[in-house]
Amino acid sequence: AQSVTQLDSQVPVFEEAPVELRCNYSSSVSVYLFWYVQYPNQGLQLLLKYLSGSTLVKGINGFEAEFNKSQTSFHLRKPSVHISDTAEYFCAVRGAGNMLTFGGGTRLMVKP
Amino acid sequence: GAVVSQHPSRVICKSGTSVKIECRSLDFQATTMFWYRQFPKQSLMLMATSNEGSKATYEQGVEKDKFLINHASLTLSTLTVTSAHPEDSSFYICSAAGTGVSYEQYFGPGTRLTVT
Repeated sequence: AQSVTQLDSQVPVFEEAPVELRCNYSSSVSVYLFWYVQYPNQGLQLLLKYLSGSTLVKGINGFEAEFNKSQTSFHLRKPSVHISDTAEYFCAVRGAGNMLTFGGGTRLMVKP
Repeated sequence: GAVVSQHPSRVICKSGTSVKIECRSLDFQATTMFWYRQFPKQSLMLMATSNEGSKATYEQGVEKDKFLINHASLTLSTLTVTSAHPEDSSFYICSAAGTGVSYEQYFGPGTRLTVT
């Protein structure tokens, strides 16, 4: 079985500051990890994914994440956030049957 | 590429009526489609998984007679909420996936259902 824990339900940060959104997972099968962003009243947009290979994954909008097997983590980072990054972010792990298990989500609030 | 659409984007219906939500993969063939439900300020909850031409597999606690899912073609899946009640009001999101080891789910924009 898979599970995902996003440790912070809300992360407030000032514009142009760096940010890290934390994600820890557990999985009994091969690990495929994803980060999605959701803007109000919209579906999910894929930011980045880890399937294999380099543990540092770069995604869209300047985001990156690092897969750490020993710590079972896949934290999302951005060196300098913009107001437009304000949204809900979901970490997910893919399990058997290609089903996704989502974390509870982290609301990133970028303040001017 | 990999665009998924949902229709309608918003719907308001009266208690006791049925509502159909369509999910279409516009530029790829989706062998599997997923239906999620999302309550305000919460994560996505998987309701069911459907494979083209097969019966949907429902998650525990999801009433299959209330949430009818049909995946009639490789580009279309529908979710029908039958005899809707106010507690069925929610944001419903579909996703579609192709085949292969590295395939991913592509999400639709969601449908806001309000039952009055």
